[in-house]
Amino acid sequence: EAGVAQSPRYKIIEKRQSVAFWCNPISGHATLYWYQQILGQGPKLLIQFQNNGVVDDSQLPKDRFSAERLKGVDSTLKIQPAKLEDSAVYLCASSSNRGNFWDTEAFFGQGTRLTVV
Amino acid sequence: KQEVTQIPAALSVPEGENLVLNCSFTDSAIYNLQWFRQDPGKGLTSLLLIQSSQREQTSGRLNASLDKSSGRSTLYIAASQPGDSATYLCAVRHSTGGFKTIFGAGTRLFVKA
Repeated sequence: EAGVAQSPRYKIIEKRQSVAFWCNPISGHATLYWYQQILGQGPKLLIQFQNNGVVDDSQLPKDRFSAERLKGVDSTLKIQPAKLEDSAVYLCASSSNRGNFWDTEAFFGQGTRLTVV
Repeated sequence: KQEVTQIPAALSVPEGENLVLNCSFTDSAIYNLQWFRQDPGKGLTSLLLIQSSQREQTSGRLNASLDKSSGRSTLYIAASQPGDSATYLCAVRHSTGGFKTIFGAGTRLFVKA
């Protein structure tokens, strides 16, 4: 079974520039998550999709961050304009809907390391 | 507001030693708790998932316990190996307020050969 794919692996941009990350979840997984992990901290949920609908985006800085999930499969996360404090690893995860949704484990991609200078 | 704390932040042990990693949470209204492993430059790998009704889960040399009333979980690693070197994260899923998952900051483990 192929895992969660993310690209790019690394990105360096200047502040005020824009950047986009891409995620392809495990085939058939209905739920997709984007997490932000700042160095030395645990991951923080930015947004959660169920198919192509948003379940939770309460911690997404909507003035600069946006995300979409086309046709309930791939997803993109965009930052515009970027700030220095956005430097972090952005992790994408997916989980299936088989059985009890909340019992299912999430599978993570390798992440995209963003450096804003 | 749920807070998840992991102690110690870092740990270095000789190969073969048994060790315990600690995770504490402030709100006992949880649905489940999950332990992850994170290797440098890689994503998270799920190790064990404990439902709120369970007391422990075991997988190979790993054993995770959950005491919901006291807000604590431990991850026990038996006969540690250099390949166990990684950061270990615990994550708590709420049973209220939208089932949010809150992660601890992790324990960085180094097992010396």
